[in-house]
Amino acid sequence: DVVMTQSPLSLPVTPGQAASISCRSSQSLVDSDGNTYLSWFQQRPGQSPRRLIYKVSNRDSGVPARFSASGSVTDFTLIISRVEAEDVGVYYCMQGSQWPPITFGPGTKVDIK
Amino acid sequence: QVQLVESGGGVVQPGRSLRLSCAASGFTFSRSAMHWVRQAPGKGLEWVTFISYDGNHKYYADSVKGRFTISRDNSKNTLYLQMNSLRPEDTALYYCARGYDHTPESWGQGTLVTVSS
Repeated sequence: DVVMTQSPLSLPVTPGQAASISCRSSQSLVDSDGNTYLSWFQQRPGQSPRRLIYKVSNRDSGVPARFSASGSVTDFTLIISRVEAEDVGVYYCMQGSQWPPITFGPGTKVDIK
Repeated sequence: QVQLVESGGGVVQPGRSLRLSCAASGFTFSRSAMHWVRQAPGKGLEWVTFISYDGNHKYYADSVKGRFTISRDNSKNTLYLQMNSLRPEDTALYYCARGYDHTPESWGQGTLVTVSS
């Protein structure tokens, strides 16, 4: 199974500052169809997960432009350019390239300093 | 818009069974793959199982293989998860999610399953 790791696991941020979360996979996430099925999810306190990013860098509908993502093969990054209070929560990366099983990272908790 | 409403959770003793349901609306259910994903209290996300749009393909996490069964009724726009031989480690909030491009795309609010004597 593909193991997903994230760093840091906890990220205190100052509103208006940038935040960066790293995600690494234990195997290449380039699928046989040429796509890389790496997604990012946000889970606000008390809410269900919400997908923010799919296939490495594509923002879902309604996701603010301050969220961006990049990466390739085994190394991926989510960036929040200017953190707002509503961005508090846990962020998960997830791979769907080498599946089953689909696997998630352990999560990065973002909170306000 | 996509709406997924899970039900059927509750408190159950170890070794017993429970069936979860997920009512779907706002999209063409019969053309959509579906997933179940769970989250133990205070823990991260764990993928549980997948079913293709027509029910012909099903995959399971090793932790539930042989105990859980995913199914669907496209005439009722409903997804199911039959959980047998439940263990305390199955205690979690269970989410159903629409699948697209190998990803649980849109999620319900979840239903809580507690396995305890």
